[in-house]
Amino acid sequence: DIVMTQTPLSLPVTLGQPASISCRSSQSLEHSDGNTYLSWLQQRPGQPPRLLIYKISNRFSGVPDRFSGSGAGTDFTLKISRVEAEDVGVYYCMQATHGMCSFGQGTNVEIQ
Amino acid sequence: EVQLVQSGAEVKKPGESLKISCKGSGYNFATWWIGWVRQVPGKGLEGMGVIYPGDSETRFSPSFQGQVTISADKSINTAYLQWSSLKASDTAMYFCVSPGLGVWGQGTMVTVSS
Repeated sequence: DIVMTQTPLSLPVTLGQPASISCRSSQSLEHSDGNTYLSWLQQRPGQPPRLLIYKISNRFSGVPDRFSGSGAGTDFTLKISRVEAEDVGVYYCMQATHGMCSFGQGTNVEIQ
Repeated sequence: EVQLVQSGAEVKKPGESLKISCKGSGYNFATWWIGWVRQVPGKGLEGMGVIYPGDSETRFSPSFQGQVTISADKSINTAYLQWSSLKASDTAMYFCVSPGLGVWGQGTMVTVSS
């Protein structure tokens, strides 16, 4: 199994300030087809997860451009350039390279 | 619009069987992997297994191998997650997801209680 490790697990943020979440995988997520199937999800309370970023750095349809993703191999980062109130929730990294979906533990983003 | 629509909430007793569904629409269902994900209340997401509806190839996380059955009927664009004998510890929200399309179902809450 691929183990995904996120840091931090709790992230108090100030409105209008940037925020960053890291994700590390136990093996490289580069697929033999040349793609890296690393995604970032947002889950608001009481809702299903929502895709924000796919293949490391591509924003999904309708996702604000304050969200960005970067990284390669085993180390990845999600950045929010200026946090808004609606960004509160739990963020997960997810890999789908190695035949299965596996997830980080989740990072709880809250407004301080 | 690409969608995954799941069956409704279930309340079952320990030892009972259950099959929940996930119906895809708006895309070629047979050619995209479907995954099942468990979320115990207040906890994170756990990948259970995936299926390729075109040929029903399935893969399981070691934690769920032998505990559940995953199947699909491509003629009706539907994937299934099945238990033969439920336990209280199966109480959770279950999501289907198309990892390749980035689409999630709305979730099915399964409650197992005597």
